[in-house]
Amino acid sequence: TQLLEQSPQFLSIQEGENLTVYCNSSSVFSSLQWYRQEPGEGPVLLVTVVTGGEVKKLKRLTFQFGDARKDSSLHITAAQTGDTGLYLCAGAPANQAGTALIFGKGTTLSVSS
Amino acid sequence: EPEVTQTPSHQVTQMGQEVILRCVPISNHLYFYWYRQILGQKVEFLVSFYNNEISEKSEIFDDQFSVERPDGSNFTLKIRSTKLEDSAMYFCASSPAGAVRGEQYFGPGTRLTVT
Repeated sequence: TQLLEQSPQFLSIQEGENLTVYCNSSSVFSSLQWYRQEPGEGPVLLVTVVTGGEVKKLKRLTFQFGDARKDSSLHITAAQTGDTGLYLCAGAPANQAGTALIFGKGTTLSVSS
Repeated sequence: EPEVTQTPSHQVTQMGQEVILRCVPISNHLYFYWYRQILGQKVEFLVSFYNNEISEKSEIFDDQFSVERPDGSNFTLKIRSTKLEDSAMYFCASSPAGAVRGEQYFGPGTRLTVT
């Protein structure tokens, strides 16, 4: 069974702090996606990483794909209250032919002022 | 910016009834998906659809489930005889041709409540 483990499960920080969220697996993924999901809404795609070691930046968010394509991280610099939400990683396993995504359980981020 | 849309936003049905959940994928997308998320649990893959046929399905997607693309814009998920455990958020997603494998855009979801 392919699993994506996200840590921490919950994170509560003050505005202006930096944070890193991790997404780990023992399996190799062809690509890894990061989504943000608000309560009662669908996941919104933030980024897709494909190449081992790849780093992508989206304003204050930095995404990295592990060299072996088994893990990824999301780093937020100078968090703002608007960053509050559920962050999900999802991946397409390399050893499967289809396009089904496997999701992690998510990291709930709370940023207070 | 184009978005996946889903209707209804909330559906309440009695156990044993049939429900049809509707989705309008992004217009130039060719790959379509259904996922579900039971309250407090992970998002789970149900089925993928391409070129008017199912390309992949999970163990969850049993004979009670079916999908259809009845016209050029809609993509539907039918549950023939709903069970209490079918209560969940159902998300439709789509991908364009040439997308990176796994790059999928999700709709806002339909909350299905089976009583």
